[in-house]
Amino acid sequence: GENVEQHPSTLSVQEGDSAVIKCTYSDSASNYFPWYKQELGKRPQLIIDIRSNVGEKKDQRIAVTLNKTAKHFSLHITETQPEDSAVYFCAASFGNEKLTFGTGTRLTIIP
Amino acid sequence: KAGVTQTPRYLIKTRGQQVTLSCSPISGHRSVSWYQQTPGQGLQFLFEYFSETQRNKGNFPGRFSGRQFSNSRSEMNVSTLELGDSALYLCASSFFSTANEQYFGPGTRLTVT
Repeated sequence: GENVEQHPSTLSVQEGDSAVIKCTYSDSASNYFPWYKQELGKRPQLIIDIRSNVGEKKDQRIAVTLNKTAKHFSLHITETQPEDSAVYFCAASFGNEKLTFGTGTRLTIIP
Repeated sequence: KAGVTQTPRYLIKTRGQQVTLSCSPISGHRSVSWYQQTPGQGLQFLFEYFSETQRNKGNFPGRFSGRQFSNSRSEMNVSTLELGDSALYLCASSFFSTANEQYFGPGTRLTVT
C-alpha cells in the first residue's frame, strides 16, 4: 500500500520568511496530492492540491511542487503570517483508493 | 451548503462498551471516509463508503465497523472498547472519491476510561 513520509515534524520560522514542508510517497501510481491545514481544535481543511499531470500550482502565498520521478512533493508558504501557525498534512492517493496522510508538520510562526 | 456534521461531539465510554458515531455528509456527496486522529499517529484511515458499499478499508481490527445509508449518512461502530481507542474520530465527505476535495466534519472526541 501507499506510504507517505513527511518532514520536518516541527518547523519554526520568523514572520515574513518562507516555510517549506516536504513529503515523499511510495506508490508511483499515486496521482492526487492534497495538503490540509489543521488549526488547534479545528477540523482539517484543504488548502491546495495537485494532480500528477501538473508540476506546480500556486494560490496566493501558497504553492505546491511535484516531482514524479523522485516521488516527492512540497508545500511552500511565502511571506508567512501568524495565522499560518497550524499543523499541515500532506496526502496521496490513486483513483478510488484511500487517501494516505503524512504524519503532519507543526508550523510555528514567530512574530 | 451545510457542512459535514458529526454527532455526538464528545463521548465518554467505559472499556468493554460499544459506541456508534454518526456523520452527515454535504448534500450531494456520495463518498464518506472515516479517520482516527491521535497525537502520536496522525490521521489514520479507517474506511470509506460509497453508495452504501465499503470501498476501501484501513488496517484496523474488526471491532471497527461502519455502514452508509441511502441518503449517504454514515455511521461507525466500535465494539468492546479499549483504552487505546480514545481519539478524535473524523469523517470526511467528497463528491465521488477521496481523489476529489474532501471536507471534514468537526469530529467526535471519544474518551475510553
